[in-house]
Amino acid sequence: DIVLTQSPALAVSLGQRATISCRASQSVSLSRYNFMHWYQQKPGQQPKLLIYRASNLASGIPARFSGSGSGTEFTLTINPVQADDIATYYCQQNRESPWTFGGGTKLELK
Amino acid sequence: QVTLKESGPGILQPSQTLSLTCTFSGFSLSTYGMGVGWIRQPSGKGLEWLANIWWDDDKYYNPSLKNRLTISKDTSNNQAFLKITNVDTADTATYYCARIGANLYYFDYWGQGVMVTVSS
Repeated sequence: DIVLTQSPALAVSLGQRATISCRASQSVSLSRYNFMHWYQQKPGQQPKLLIYRASNLASGIPARFSGSGSGTEFTLTINPVQADDIATYYCQQNRESPWTFGGGTKLELK
Repeated sequence: QVTLKESGPGILQPSQTLSLTCTFSGFSLSTYGMGVGWIRQPSGKGLEWLANIWWDDDKYYNPSLKNRLTISKDTSNNQAFLKITNVDTADTATYYCARIGANLYYFDYWGQGVMVTVSS
């Protein structure tokens, strides 16, 4: 199985940049495609798609969210962080079955 | 608009079979490339992918649950189902169904989730 590793938590100040990383145990890229996606989950809610295929903004997601990376290293950036962005963020790969999720990074306020 | 809603028994006893239903609208599971997946989340923990079913009835399962999972669909009634046999307390979680958009291979819409407790 492809293991996705995320830092458990990240503390940021409002208005600053947040950089959340996801490292895969093997490449999740093939040709020009990156099979890595990002979801946001607020307490008591279902996850919501933010970024698909590493760098594509999902419909309705504000432009302060962006994604980058390839191979085994991926990053979700929020700039600037707003109060509504306090949530847990998960990466997910579908390069291989079983599809796997990272453990999640909880974004907290400093 | 796309919506999904999960339903389940709420509580069941160890060794029983868990049956979950996902009722959706705004898309059809007979559309080429479309899929529905099931994902679960124990309270306070991360997400675990369980299974996907595709428009052509192709099915994929998480091997970590060995042979306990069965996914199926009723296209005419816009429903997908998941059965988990021989449950134990480790299966206590919120269970989500989510749409996999046509040829997209990621979860673009999620249901609100249904909480399932396994307890004697």
